[in-house]
Amino acid sequence: EPEVTQTPSHQVTQMGQEVILRCVPISNHLYFYWYRQILGQKVEFLVSFYNNEISEKSEIFDDQFSVERPDGSNFTLKIRSTKLEDSAMYFCASTGSYSYEQYFGPGTRLTVT
Amino acid sequence: LAKTTQPISMDSYEGQEVNITCSHNNIATNDYITWYQQFPSQGPRFIIQGYKTKVTNEVASLFIPADRKSSTLSLPRVSLSDTAVYYCLVVKDTGGFKTIFGAGTRLFVKA
Repeated sequence: EPEVTQTPSHQVTQMGQEVILRCVPISNHLYFYWYRQILGQKVEFLVSFYNNEISEKSEIFDDQFSVERPDGSNFTLKIRSTKLEDSAMYFCASTGSYSYEQYFGPGTRLTVT
Repeated sequence: LAKTTQPISMDSYEGQEVNITCSHNNIATNDYITWYQQFPSQGPRFIIQGYKTKVTNEVASLFIPADRKSSTLSLPRVSLSDTAVYYCLVVKDTGGFKTIFGAGTRLFVKA
């Protein structure tokens, strides 16, 4: 069964540093998403991406965040200057055309110290 | 997007049927209802989706009344491995874009 993959599984960084989280969505999918989940809390939508541009973003997704699909397979989330409160699990998801079934990756645990 | 309300937690025993009801009073005509399951430290996993009446797949059934203001996820004969958080989501029929997760229902299955 096709799956979404994410790297790294765990990233530790110092406050103020830039991090790039990487995702490889399912190959024929068209819609891509990033979510975050702070430990013990609910899953929070960050951004959706379609046709090489951001479709929607939440209020969490401020100027410190950016997304990119640099080639035909990778989908990245960049946090320019990390804060302690950015510590969370970050999930990438993808879905095919006209489908409600989002396929989630295993997540990247980001720890900001 | 319609806001969803679910019970915070539920307990059950192995072998029982579990029904989790979600309220979505402001659902729009072109909205669909989806349910996800999440285990600790894993990404959510799609369970089932529906628009109205009843939908059944190999893992669950989804019951949606005619007014569509609520939906009920039914898990037949739960096992210990069904202990997880279950999320009800209302999504627009555009195939993508903004998806809002609520707090979910934490199901604990006991032996």
